[in-house]
Amino acid sequence: GQNIDQPTEMTATEGAIVQINCTYQTSGFNGLFWYQQHAGEAPTFLSYNVLDGLEEKGRFSSFLSRSKGYSYLLLKELQMKDSASYLCAVRRNQAGTALIFGKGTTLSVSS
Amino acid sequence: NAGVTQTPKFQVLKTGQSMTLQCAQDMNHEYMSWYRQDPGMGLRLIHYSVGAGITDQGEVPNGYNVSRSTTEDFPLRLLSAAPSQTSVYFCASRYIVRTGSYEQYFGPGTRLTVT
Repeated sequence: GQNIDQPTEMTATEGAIVQINCTYQTSGFNGLFWYQQHAGEAPTFLSYNVLDGLEEKGRFSSFLSRSKGYSYLLLKELQMKDSASYLCAVRRNQAGTALIFGKGTTLSVSS
Repeated sequence: NAGVTQTPKFQVLKTGQSMTLQCAQDMNHEYMSWYRQDPGMGLRLIHYSVGAGITDQGEVPNGYNVSRSTTEDFPLRLLSAAPSQTSVYFCASRYIVRTGSYEQYFGPGTRLTVT
């Protein structure tokens, strides 16, 4: 079966750093995605990892270890607008299959 | 580019009614899919298509039909609405194979309530 796990909720304060973990067990792997979703809105793309290592994009970084079936999203210098759900998703192969999503992590940033 | 568009944004149906949720994209993406999102359940795949004339089932296809007569459009039909189909529906599209392009784009969603 396919299984993607991430914490349900996390809280943090403005200016802090938070790490959201994602573990996966899927039949096949062709990339891991992180999406951000504000309440009442559509998911928007944050990052993509297909090889092991860290990908940095401004305040956001994403890490992947394929051998461990593990990824994390690192958010630095947190801002109130970062309060949202963060969705981890796996693509099993290049063509013909959709992304499989975890249930999402709701992050609340307080001042 | 308009990206991925969905209509309607909101809909209320009575049990047993049928309707079609519309989805269109203007990016010439081969791949299109429909998800539903329920509290605590995450995004679950209903149906998907890899090109015009080709569709397949996802995780939760029962009660839904799709067709793909053009590259641009991918409508989702509810045959006989049930309260269990109350949800937010997202359409998404992407290229299947294109170097450097891997992002999946989502439409704004349709919020459906079945009473």
